[in-house]
Amino acid sequence: DAKTTQPPSMDCAEGRAANLPCNHSTISGNEYVYWYRQIHSQGPQYIIHGLKNNETNEMASLIITEDRKSSTLILPHATLRDTAVYYCIVRSHGSSNTGKLIFGQGTTLQVKP
Amino acid sequence: DTAVSQTPKYLVTQMGNDKSIKCEQNLGHDTMYWYKQDSKKFLKIMFSYNNKELIINETVPNRFSPKSPDKAHLNLHINSLELGDSAVYFCASSQGGQGNTEAFFGQGTRLTVV
Repeated sequence: DAKTTQPPSMDCAEGRAANLPCNHSTISGNEYVYWYRQIHSQGPQYIIHGLKNNETNEMASLIITEDRKSSTLILPHATLRDTAVYYCIVRSHGSSNTGKLIFGQGTTLQVKP
Repeated sequence: DTAVSQTPKYLVTQMGNDKSIKCEQNLGHDTMYWYKQDSKKFLKIMFSYNNKELIINETVPNRFSPKSPDKAHLNLHINSLELGDSAVYFCASSQGGQGNTEAFFGQGTRLTVV
């Protein structure tokens, strides 16, 4: 699975959009971009994933560049409860994948009042 | 009705002891995992079971032995506990062992070895 690079930390004002970037320049054609987050003292939580099209769900939006070498997770209206470590993970689907997640250091997002 | 539940939530024990952590999922998933998060907050996979069969063992010491009595349970037994085993252990589950679906994590078990 391709490696990802994320900024170690970011701040965001409550109520504003939080844009979390992720670089995955070595991503291959069959690899998906996944985002998980870990709120303090809790287990990781799935947010969203995508292959090449932009995706949106009730939690967030995922914007993937046309060359797929980077992506941005957008929390449209950040709340204090969104303060967490956000992990961008690249992984393939199919028989060659064992289902394991390889976590990097992630981005610590601090939402401030 | 927690999806993935682990017990106990906290575990403090002395070096050399043997302890177990239990995990149960009620999502009907066929794949379960154990992850370890160390003091530097790095999350790393330890084991994965698919339909009660071990499919991942990430060079974990033999003192760690997972047991999957059925698809809904994956327990972790640790022998001869060492100080370095202190960490938070997360159980997770997903449907299918091919990474096509999201993983659901438990709340973690904080193990402290003294």
